[in-house]
Amino acid sequence: DIVMTQSPDSLAVSLGERATINCKSSQSVLSSSNNKNYLAWYQQKPGQPPNLLIYWASTRESGVPDRFSGSGSGTDFTLTISSLQAEDVAVYYCQQYYTSVRTFGQGTKVEIK
Amino acid sequence: EVQLVESGGDLVQPGGSLRISCAASGLTVSSSYMSWVRQAPGKGLEWVSVVYSGGNTYYADSVKGRFTISRDNSKNTLYLQMNSLRTEDTAVYYCARGPGGYYNYWGQGTLVTVSS
Repeated sequence: DIVMTQSPDSLAVSLGERATINCKSSQSVLSSSNNKNYLAWYQQKPGQPPNLLIYWASTRESGVPDRFSGSGSGTDFTLTISSLQAEDVAVYYCQQYYTSVRTFGQGTKVEIK
Repeated sequence: EVQLVESGGDLVQPGGSLRISCAASGLTVSSSYMSWVRQAPGKGLEWVSVVYSGGNTYYADSVKGRFTISRDNSKNTLYLQMNSLRTEDTAVYYCARGPGGYYNYWGQGTLVTVSS
C-alpha cells in the first residue's frame, strides 16, 4: 500500500499569515496515461466529517475559498492557505486514490499563533 | 441534495459481529464509488473499504478477511458487515461517496465501540 506522510504534525500560524502543509507519498501517484496526480486534500473540524478541499492535487472543490491551493506532482505535494483565517483552524489530511486501496496521511493540526 | 445517513453503531464485545448501514438519498449507490472510512477516538482518518459501481470491492489490510462491504440497490443503502471485531476497530465509521476516488460527500458517522 502507498504510505502518505504529512509534515509537520502541527503548526501555529498568525492570522493573515501563510500556512503550508506538506504530503509525501511512498510511490508516485502521477498517472502517465492522463498526466493527473491522484491526490486530494480534506479539512476536518472537531465533531464534523471531513470536507473535500482539493482533488487532482490542485483542483479546488466548488465553494472552497481561493485562499486554499494545492500544488506538487509525483510524490511531493503541498497545501497552502495563503492568509489564515480563524475558521481555518482544523486538521488537514491528504489522501491518495491512485490505487484501489486508498490511504490517508496522518493529519496536520493547524492552530492560531 | 445528497444525504448519507449511517446507522447501526453499537457496543460490541471483542470477537463479536455488527452490521452498519448507510442510507443514501440524492444519489444512486449502485452507480457510485462508495466507501467506508473510520476514525478512532482522537486519531486520524483510516480508509477501510470501497465498492465500485461494477461491484468490485477492496479492503484495507487491517480489515481484510473480517469485514465485507455490500449494497442493496433496492434500498439504495450501503452496508459494512464486521466480524471478529477487535478493540482496535473502535471508531466512528463514515460512509463516503466519490466520483473518482476522492470523496465529496460524507455522512455524519456512526460510533462502533468494541469492548468487554
